[in-house]
Amino acid sequence: DIVMTQSPDSLAVSLGERATINCKSSQTILSTSSSKNYLAWFQQKPGQPPNLLIYWASTRESGVPDRFSGSGSGTDFTLTISSLQAEDVAVYYCQQYYSAPYTFGQGTKLEIK
Amino acid sequence: EVQLVESGGGLVQPGGYLRLSCVASGFTFSNYWMNWVRQAPGKGLVWVSRIDSDGSNTRYADSVKGRFTISRDNAKNTLYLQMNSLRGEDTAVYHCTRQNFFDYWGQGTPVTVSS
Repeated sequence: DIVMTQSPDSLAVSLGERATINCKSSQTILSTSSSKNYLAWFQQKPGQPPNLLIYWASTRESGVPDRFSGSGSGTDFTLTISSLQAEDVAVYYCQQYYSAPYTFGQGTKLEIK
Repeated sequence: EVQLVESGGGLVQPGGYLRLSCVASGFTFSNYWMNWVRQAPGKGLVWVSRIDSDGSNTRYADSVKGRFTISRDNAKNTLYLQMNSLRGEDTAVYHCTRQNFFDYWGQGTPVTVSS
């Protein structure tokens, strides 16, 4: 199974500042045939289901604000929020969909400093 | 508008069983692989099972293999999860989600396994 490890577990950032969350997979999730990284990022607020932010490691889902961006390839990935807004307080998860079981990272709790 | 609505959760004793349902609307259900993902109270997301578009291929997390069965009825736009031999560690909110990058999720149905 592919293990997904996020860092940090929690993060406090001032409003308007940059927030960066890292995700590392235990093996590559880059497909050589498609040249795509099978990595998604989700945001989850209390009492709500997860909300897809990013797929293919860097493609923003429709309707997601452009302050959210994803980067990385192979085994190392990053979610960046360029200017933190109050509504971005949530838990963020990375997930690989390269092969079943489609494992998630443990989550990163993002708060306002 | 895409909607996924789960039902069937509840309180069950250890060793018991439940059948969860997820009714889909707003998209052509038969075109998509579907998944179940669960979340224990205060914990993270855990993938449970996946089924392909016609139901011919399924996959399971090791923790539920042999106890849970995923299935679907494309004529009824409904996904199912039959859960047998339930354990305390199966206590969670169970979400169905569409496997198009897991782009749509239901609100979930809570399952509590306790005596």
